[in-house]
Amino acid sequence: DQQVKQNSPSLSVQEGRISILNCDYTNSMFDYFLWYKKYPAEGPTFLISISSIKDKNEDGRFTVFLNKSAKHLSLHIVPSQPGDSAVYFCAASAYGNQFYFGTGTSLTVIP
Amino acid sequence: DAGVIQSPRHEVTEMGQEVTLRCKPISGHNSLFWYRQTMMRGLELLIYFNNNVPIDDSGMPEDRFSAKMPNASFSTLKIQPSEPRDSAVYFCASYGRVETEAFFGQGTRLTVV
Repeated sequence: DQQVKQNSPSLSVQEGRISILNCDYTNSMFDYFLWYKKYPAEGPTFLISISSIKDKNEDGRFTVFLNKSAKHLSLHIVPSQPGDSAVYFCAASAYGNQFYFGTGTSLTVIP
Repeated sequence: DAGVIQSPRHEVTEMGQEVTLRCKPISGHNSLFWYRQTMMRGLELLIYFNNNVPIDDSGMPEDRFSAKMPNASFSTLKIQPSEPRDSAVYFCASYGRVETEAFFGQGTRLTVV
């Protein structure tokens, strides 16, 4: 049973516009959330994270928003660049234990 | 540090054969995870070790799958016998308490024919 869900398998966005990737989770014990980026033939790499005590974390063009009541988080990329084209995985953990990942969203940024 | 190292990068085997995937975590990390990437389930957690001890193996799909971590610098994931539906990319990741995220290896692409 998927504890972390990404309901959009793919997303296409024009270069320079905003990309919004969504993620939902079911386990209320999760207290730490992460986004990973994955290029073909490579392992996932860490992008940005947020603790459950916050509702927003920003790092350059990337911002993660957390809505605990809705058990929902999102990743905003502004402005989107062609190099951002990749698969993005949402992940969650409870008390620093195992990380549960979603199914991924394939982002294509069109030049 | 060279990061998490997995071997082999690619493995093609015949159905019924034994397959062993290997992982060397980042030195000093005390947690290790094995994941399987599929289209349907994304990155599926198979097993989680902490201080070389298996903590949660509920994600291991069948008894054909087994994993060991004989020491802090080495882990194996074995499939015996292998089946075509085991074809996927298998990732190993490690995590240390001083970090806030898990680090992944480059994965092993397994094809069972």
